Amino acid sequence: DAGVTQSPTHLIKTRGQQVTLRCSPKSGHDTVSWYQQALGQGPQFIFQYYEEEERQRGNFPDRFSGHQFPNYSSELNVNALLLGDSALYLCASSLERGRGSNTEAFFGQGTRLTVV
Amino acid sequence: AQSVSQHNHHVILSEAASLELGCNYSYGGTVNLFWYVQYPGQHLQLLLKYFSGDPLVKGIKGFEAEFIKSKFSFNLRKPSVQWSDTAEYFCAVSPLSGGYNKLIFGAGTRLAVHP
Repeated sequence: DAGVTQSPTHLIKTRGQQVTLRCSPKSGHDTVSWYQQALGQGPQFIFQYYEEEERQRGNFPDRFSGHQFPNYSSELNVNALLLGDSALYLCASSLERGRGSNTEAFFGQGTRLTVV
Repeated sequence: AQSVSQHNHHVILSEAASLELGCNYSYGGTVNLFWYVQYPGQHLQLLLKYFSGDPLVKGIKGFEAEFIKSKFSFNLRKPSVQWSDTAEYFCAVSPLSGGYNKLIFGAGTRLAVHP
């Protein structure tokens, strides 16, 4: 049973460029959340996708966008990269079934993005 | 704003010492509570969780945590640590008011256990 997989594992981009990160959820999971973890900090919630729609968003600018596909996999896109976007980007999947369900999130190993 | 505070950023212990990591959150409504661990080079893994019921929850590898609602705390404990417990520990809260399960993390506590 595959866990949460993310690609690529490492990425170096130049300021102003755009980047796409990918995530395949754990088998049987229907919800994908994305987190940004800056060095020395805890993960910060970016947004969550369920049934191919963004249904929750954290305090991140519109440069951060995403998508969920019918097979539940997801992409995180960041436009106009800034040096401050350098971080570990984590994908987490869970099985929601509906609102308010008690569930736990499983995390991938993350994509380390460096903006130079 | 909702936030999670972990009291210690770095903890150094000798093997067999007892561990307690503090976690407090600011949110007035109902929450689910979690402790995650990140071993060197590995992904975040769930140590234990609290949804409801007995406020003392037991997790993997001998860890336990106690939810004290009046203090908005969810402290992690282990009676006797091992070298293999060296890792970073994150407390996380999931507010239930919105109906969706997003996690709000603390800044983490880096634990080093010396033989």
